[in-house]
Amino acid sequence: AQSVTQLGSHVSVSEGALVLLRCNYSSSVPPYLFWYVQYPNQGLQLLLKYTTGATLVKGINGFEAEFKKSETSFHLTKPSAHMSDAAEYFCAVSGPFPGGYQKVTFGTGTKLQVIP
Amino acid sequence: GEEVAQTPKHLVRGEGQKAKLYCAPIKGHSYVFWYQQVLKNEFKFLISFQNENVFDETGMPKERFSAKCLPNSPCSLEIQATKLEDSAVYFCASSPPGVRGTYSGANVLTFGAGSRLTVL
Repeated sequence: AQSVTQLGSHVSVSEGALVLLRCNYSSSVPPYLFWYVQYPNQGLQLLLKYTTGATLVKGINGFEAEFKKSETSFHLTKPSAHMSDAAEYFCAVSGPFPGGYQKVTFGTGTKLQVIP
Repeated sequence: GEEVAQTPKHLVRGEGQKAKLYCAPIKGHSYVFWYQQVLKNEFKFLISFQNENVFDETGMPKERFSAKCLPNSPCSLEIQATKLEDSAVYFCASSPPGVRGTYSGANVLTFGAGSRLTVL
C-alpha cells in the first residue's frame, strides 16, 4: 500500500518569499511522485512528476521538487512566491506494479496563501 | 478534444434520488479514473477503466454506485438513492496508455473540472 502525508494543511508566505510545501510518502515499491495544483472550482493540474533519473525535478511556474529516498520526501519549493501561486497543492504517489499498476494516491492537500 | 469534459458542473438531488455524472476523456486516452473529493480534502479513488473494461473498482461503494465506459459514449458515474454523505465534487481523469500499451503508474492524469453534487 502507498500513502502520502502532507505536513501543514495551510501555509502562508509573503509575496517574494520562499515557498516550501512538505510531502512525505510511504511505498513498498520505488515510487512515482507527483505534485498537482488545484485552483478554485477547477480540477487538478500537474506541476511536476518524478519517476526515475534525476532527483531534482523542475516543473511549471517555477516550481521544483527533490526526491530524497533516505528521507522518503518529495518537498515542493519555489524561490519567490507570486500572488498567482495561491491555490491548493496536492502531493501524490503511485508506482510500478508487476503485471499491473499502482493507482495514484493523493495527500490531503496544502492550501497556500500568498500575502501581499 | 484536448480536455476532459465533465457534465453537469453542478447537480442538486434530494436524498434518495438518482444522480448521474458524465465524463468525456481526452481522445486517445484509454484509461479513465473517477475520484470523489469531499470538503476540499481527500481525493478518494472510486473506479478506473481501461477502455470499456473495469480496471480497478476497489474504491466503489457497490451497493449504490455504478459506472460505465461504453464505446463512442461519455463515461458515466451513477449513484442510486443518493445520501447526504454523497455530497462532494466528483472528478474524472484520463490517461494515455504507457510505452507498452498499459498504464504504468507513471502516466500523468489529466483531470476534468469536476461535477459538484449536492444532496439535500
